[in-house]
Amino acid sequence: NAGVMQNPRHLVRRRGQEARLRCSPMKGHSHVYWYRQLPEEGLKFMVYLQKENIIDESGMPKERFSAEFPKEGPSILRIQQVVRGDSAAYFCASSRRREAGLTDTQYFGPGTRLTVL
Amino acid sequence: QKEVEQNSGPLSVPEGAIASLNCTYSDRVSQSFFWYRQYSGKSPELIMSIYSNGDKEDGRFTAQLNKASQYVSLLIRDSQPSDSATYLCAVTGSARQLTFGSGTQLTVLP
Repeated sequence: NAGVMQNPRHLVRRRGQEARLRCSPMKGHSHVYWYRQLPEEGLKFMVYLQKENIIDESGMPKERFSAEFPKEGPSILRIQQVVRGDSAAYFCASSRRREAGLTDTQYFGPGTRLTVL
Repeated sequence: QKEVEQNSGPLSVPEGAIASLNCTYSDRVSQSFFWYRQYSGKSPELIMSIYSNGDKEDGRFTAQLNKASQYVSLLIRDSQPSDSATYLCAVTGSARQLTFGSGTQLTVLP
């Protein structure tokens, strides 16, 4: 049973370029979460998606960042016009569809390490 | 006040000892509580989840939850050098996302 998959594992971009990070949830999971971990800092929530819907983007920077989870294919976190401050580890987590009385446990992918030169 | 607070450490214990990691949270409506382990340069790995007051044991790990005190802890018995990592406390409430503490760095000395 494959876990959460993320690619690329490492991504180098120059300032002003675009970064696209991909996440495929665990089999049977329909909820996807993106978190960012800045160097020497804790994990911060960015966005929560279900298929074709953004449920909560309260942690997403208002500009340059967007996320999607299409009906087919992986979830994509897109960062336009990257700046050096975007350098971080970006983790995707997934959980199964929540049913009444159950709590989703989130399982993390290996992360994408973004370096902006 | 931070939403989830942990002692940043570093915490050092000798091999075979009990390591005790603590976490407090500010949101009284928090519902679910998790401990993740993160090795340097790796992703968080789920160790334990706990939802009800009391203790929950899984192998060498015991999670303890006290909702009245807004406190959750993790005990690691018979600590091994391979347990050396950063331990992250995470909490969810009505919102689904995890709110993490800053982590406690644990070193188990051989």
